[in-house]
Formats: sequence, structure tokens, C-alpha cells
Amino acid sequence: QKEVEQNSGPLSVPEGAIASLNCTYSDRGSQSFFWYRQYSGKSPELIMFIYSNGDKEDGRFTAQLNKASQYVSLLIRDSQPSDSATYLCAVKSYGGATNKLIFGTGTLLAVQP
Amino acid sequence: GAVVSQHPSWVICKSGTSVKIECRSLDFQATTMFWYRQFPKQSLMLMATSNEGSKATYEQGVEKDKFLINHASLTLSTLTVTSAHPEDSSFYICSAGQGPYEQYFGPGTRLTVT
Repeated sequence: QKEVEQNSGPLSVPEGAIASLNCTYSDRGSQSFFWYRQYSGKSPELIMFIYSNGDKEDGRFTAQLNKASQYVSLLIRDSQPSDSATYLCAVKSYGGATNKLIFGTGTLLAVQP
Repeated sequence: GAVVSQHPSWVICKSGTSVKIECRSLDFQATTMFWYRQFPKQSLMLMATSNEGSKATYEQGVEKDKFLINHASLTLSTLTVTSAHPEDSSFYICSAGQGPYEQYFGPGTRLTVT
């Protein structure tokens, strides 16, 4: 079983719609959760992180975390063609000598003009 | 957000040679830096964790004698790919942590071994 799972997509949404990206994780000890955006040929850029159950909003982005269900999602409101990219979910567990991120394989989002 | 730089941004080398990639945190001190590798259409795979002043911790399956990591200061970590082969061609990305949550990525280095 993969540690962090995402649907690879592509997820296609029309411009102006809400894009919903989902991620599940297997380690119940995971404590913080991250969403990164990666354009083709570029390195990931941090969109937001969340560590408490519930919703966290930042502009057009909302991260949702449900630790009981081991589920984290990212909503993008008013999707724009410039949002078209691969969205990577990452999970961090603490303890041991290092605190490392475990990445999912990413979901490709395509926003249609 | 914090800025992480990498140099070079791309490099082409001949099989059997060594290549050094630098990763710098420009506006913060990073006690820990991470090195990732990404093959086309695949996700990031953590290669090793680099702690300032100590030996790097390598992930399972990553050859420590082939991928030499040095974290000489709180703002600089280097990855040297020794005796590079075509299968080492990949996108190498470093990241550095600021605080317990955020981790910022450098722009990446595209390595092509001919």
C-alpha cells in the first residue's frame, strides 16, 4: 500500500469552476500535510499546509483535513487556466532523526478556458 | 516565502565523469536540507536528508558512495554524482526547511549524462 495516494488524473474543469483534489495517507502518525503545485519542468512550489482537522483557507485555495478518515483535500475556487499543473500532496511525520516529506504521485489538473 | 537556489540549473556531462550540484538557502538558515530526484512523469523521490555538520541520511536503495552529499554550512549543501551514467539523467531538486512545517524547493537541476 502506497503511503500517500492521489488520483493521477487528469482532472479537467472549466474555467471559473471549483477544482477538488484529493489525497489519502496510510500513516496515522502523520502530523502535517502539504499541497505543492508543480508546473511541467519546474520544481514544486508550496501552496499551503495544514495540521489541524477542518478547513484552512488562503485566497482561492482551501485545504481540508480529516485525520479520522486519513484524508486531505485541496479546493481551488474560480479555477484559472494558469492553475493547470500537477498538484502534489505531501505528508510529514515527526520523530526519529529527520522529519521528511512523503509525496504522492500527484494529480494533473487541466483548467479549460 | 523563503528562497532556495540551485546551481547549475542544467548540466550535460559525459558518462564516467562527476557532477556537483549546489543548493543554497538565500535568506534563512537551514539545519536540514533534502535532496530529491524526479524522473519524467514520476513523483519526487527523496534521496537523502542532509544535516549541517553531520553525515547525510540516505534512503533505502540510494548509493551513498555514488551520491555524495556535503552540508558544510547552514546555507549550503552539495550533491556530487560520481561516475555518472546515462541512467542517472534526471531532475535533481533540493529543499530546505524553515520552521517545523514549511519546506521550500530550489528550482532544480536537470542532469543529462551522455
